[in-house]
Amino acid sequence: EPEVTQTPSHQVTQMGQEVILRCVPISNHLYFYWYRQILGQKVEFLVSFYNNEISEKSEIFDDQFSVERPDGSNFTLKIRSTKLEDSAMYFCASIQDASSTGELFFGEGSRLTVL
Amino acid sequence: GESVGLHLPTLSVQEGDNSIINCAYSNSASDYFIWYKQESGKGPQFIIDIRSNMDKRQGQRVTVLLNKTVKHLSLQIAATQPGDSAVYFCAETWDNYGQNFVFGPGTRLSVLP
Repeated sequence: EPEVTQTPSHQVTQMGQEVILRCVPISNHLYFYWYRQILGQKVEFLVSFYNNEISEKSEIFDDQFSVERPDGSNFTLKIRSTKLEDSAMYFCASIQDASSTGELFFGEGSRLTVL
Repeated sequence: GESVGLHLPTLSVQEGDNSIINCAYSNSASDYFIWYKQESGKGPQFIIDIRSNMDKRQGQRVTVLLNKTVKHLSLQIAATQPGDSAVYFCAETWDNYGQNFVFGPGTRLSVLP
């Protein structure tokens, strides 16, 4: 069964450092997403990406965040200067197209710990 | 793995019983809803979806009911099994293009032997 893969599974970093989280969406999917989940809280939308540009972003996704699709397979989330409150699970998701059933396929997540 | 939702409401059911998990959604304009299952340390997993032009949809052992009048969604799991133990989230969206779903806070289902 096709799946969304994410690396690293866990990253520990110092406050102020840059972090890049990587995702390989399902190969024939066209829409890509990043969500985050702070421990004990609900899953929150960060950003959606289609046709090599951001289509939607939330208030959380400020100037410290950026996304990129550097090649045909990877989709990355960069946090430029991490803060303590960026500690969370970050989930990548993809969907085939907007007219499909809407089923988002999630990766297993990358746990970011900022010290 | 990481524990998700340490302070979530918990529903405990006996193995073999039926489970009903409820969700109140926020936006009356939402037209598409999904139930997700999240096991500890894993990403959300799609269970079943429903569009706003329906009030009931059935899958394998699961049924979703939608009451638009009171903005309420429920997930019924028949003959609950130990493998059903997880956190269950409802998600809503009103934006077909961005697909930026809004997730509910989740309910932890604990299946007792």
